[in-house]
Amino acid sequence: KQEVTQIPAALSVPEGENLVLNCSFTDSAIYNLQWFRQDPGKGLTSLLLIQSSQREQTSGRLNASLDKSSGRSTLYIAASQPGDSATYLCAERNAGGTSYGKLTFGQGTILTVHP
Amino acid sequence: DGGITQSPKYLFRKEGQNVTLSCEQNLNHDAMYWYRQDPGQGLRLIYYSQIVNDFQKGDIAEGYSVSREKKESFPLTVTSAQKNPTAFYLCASSIGQGEAFFGQGTRLTVV
Repeated sequence: KQEVTQIPAALSVPEGENLVLNCSFTDSAIYNLQWFRQDPGKGLTSLLLIQSSQREQTSGRLNASLDKSSGRSTLYIAASQPGDSATYLCAERNAGGTSYGKLTFGQGTILTVHP
Repeated sequence: DGGITQSPKYLFRKEGQNVTLSCEQNLNHDAMYWYRQDPGQGLRLIYYSQIVNDFQKGDIAEGYSVSREKKESFPLTVTSAQKNPTAFYLCASSIGQGEAFFGQGTRLTVV
């Protein structure tokens, strides 16, 4: 059974800091990994998608990396802003077998950026 | 605007009632999913469908049913067999195993 773990569970930083969120997964047959943002009471917003053949993806101040051999992904946020405060979730998609196409989520990291 | 629409935003269910949550997408995605979110438990997969008229159980399908009669629609019925239905329900869609997009969710409460 695939498992996804996110560390830390919560993070509080002052505005302007660069920060790293961690995601680890047990699936050896990962197809891709996706990072999401969730604001309170809202749905998920897709941030970045990394295919299993890729090492990293960048969008603006966000950079996500993927290391299949160690089962890890990181989301780097540069120059954090109060508007970045949200819960960040990672999800890996399995490549085949009985879990084909299934997205497995971590429990998320709650990020608070103080002005 | 293209996207995923879930309705209603809030839903109240009495004991023993069946209720249906709506999910519609105009993204022309073939795959659709239903997730349940509870505090401290993350998102758990209820059902998913990769093509019209076909769907598979996820990790917590008991007490739920779905249909996929149209590509753009994937309604979820919470039956009276689901003993603890109070949760936030999220619908998603994707092109195959590509990037998944989510709706804004339906919060279901048992009264």
